[in-house]
Amino acid sequence: LAKTTQPISMDSYEGQEVNITCSHNNIATNDYITWYQQFPSQGPRFIIQGYKTKVTNEVASLFIPADRKSSTLSLPRVSLSDTAVYYCLVGRPNAGNNRKLIWGLGTSLAVNP
Amino acid sequence: NAGVTQTPKFQVLKTGQSMTLQCAQDMNHEYMSWYRQDPGMGLRLIHYSVGAGITDQGEVPNGYNVSRSTTEDFPLRLLSAAPSQTSVYFCASSSGADRQPQHFGDGTRLSIL
Repeated sequence: LAKTTQPISMDSYEGQEVNITCSHNNIATNDYITWYQQFPSQGPRFIIQGYKTKVTNEVASLFIPADRKSSTLSLPRVSLSDTAVYYCLVGRPNAGNNRKLIWGLGTSLAVNP
Repeated sequence: NAGVTQTPKFQVLKTGQSMTLQCAQDMNHEYMSWYRQDPGMGLRLIHYSVGAGITDQGEVPNGYNVSRSTTEDFPLRLLSAAPSQTSVYFCASSSGADRQPQHFGDGTRLSIL
């Protein structure tokens, strides 16, 4: 099974771009990479998902190199409200076996004024 | 639209007591899962269900039971609470369509004395 590794914590300042990298050396051919955001006292919330190259939505971008052994979540121009824990998830959601979904331990991002 | 609703939000139990954590979703999702979240250990899958009447074990199923008699509800039962089960419990659901993300409730914070 794939194992995901991400930094425990990161610090940034308002207005900066933040890049959080997740390593997943044993990712399987059918696996996708999904990122979630979690605020205190709330459940995780979906941010973005991708398979390869680059995916962008209204809140983030996801960069996945050709070998897919890592991925980088990019948050443009962060604000104080982006202070949260960010989780990397590797697997193919809804493929019939949720035990194959591998969660990272989360990166605690602190955005300072 | 309520999404995924978990009750109670907080609970304190004594060792050996039993209780049921409730989870309900109003999105007609096929897939539902229970996770526990502990400091430094991320999210760990307890049990999951791919539809009414179908359940399967996750990574840490011991000490917990589940059933799925309806599409909407997926209760988690602690048979005989132990201090090691002190945790925050999250319920999640997804449509079951390929790669669709999970929607999480806001959790139940459970303390076992």
